[in-house]
Amino acid sequence: KAGVTQTPRYLIKTRGQQVTLSCSPISGHRSVSWYQQTPGQGLQFLFEYFSETQRNKGNFPGRFSGRQFSNSRSEMNVSTLELGDSALYLCASSSPPGAGDQTQYFGPGTRLLVL
Amino acid sequence: AQKVTQAQTEISVVEKEDVTLDCVYETRDTTYYLFWYKQPPSGELVFLIRRNSFDEQNEISGRYSWNFQKSTSSFNFTITASQVVDSAVYFCALSEALTGTASKLTFGTGTRLQVTL
Repeated sequence: KAGVTQTPRYLIKTRGQQVTLSCSPISGHRSVSWYQQTPGQGLQFLFEYFSETQRNKGNFPGRFSGRQFSNSRSEMNVSTLELGDSALYLCASSSPPGAGDQTQYFGPGTRLLVL
Repeated sequence: AQKVTQAQTEISVVEKEDVTLDCVYETRDTTYYLFWYKQPPSGELVFLIRRNSFDEQNEISGRYSWNFQKSTSSFNFTITASQVVDSAVYFCALSEALTGTASKLTFGTGTRLQVTL
């Protein structure tokens, strides 16, 4: 079974721009979560999607948004980029609620550098 | 609010030594999941183990073992006979388990393990 895939793997943007990151979950997984990892704040939960609906949200400003498509693929968008948005963005997928294995399996991440 | 504490920021050991990584958690939930993940330099978080709050059995998988104690809110991870390939950052994580789903992981700050020859 293929793992979680994320594109692009690396990205360089400038302040004020916007960026869209993509995540394809493991086949059969319908929940997708996003996390931000920075040296200062560590790993922080951004949001979770299930069946195209945001089910949970972390404490991030509205510049951070996401969506999920009918095939469970997910995108996250960051608008008006700030230097502090430079981070590793990790996507994780898991089985549907109540489906047994509730482990979140992570993709390789997208490294975003904001200049 | 949930919280995970990994007090050990960095540990250095010589190959073949045993090493224990500590994890202490706080939660008001009666049902929850605990996880350990490994993050090698490539950045991907690799799943190691999941434990449900109602299952306090310790687990051994090869050189890895985990000790879960609800009484002390700890979920410690031991690597026996460490190897250079074990060098990585290890994260302990906690999630609620309401409605049969493990959502919104709360991570500790991680412990960087360096294994040298």
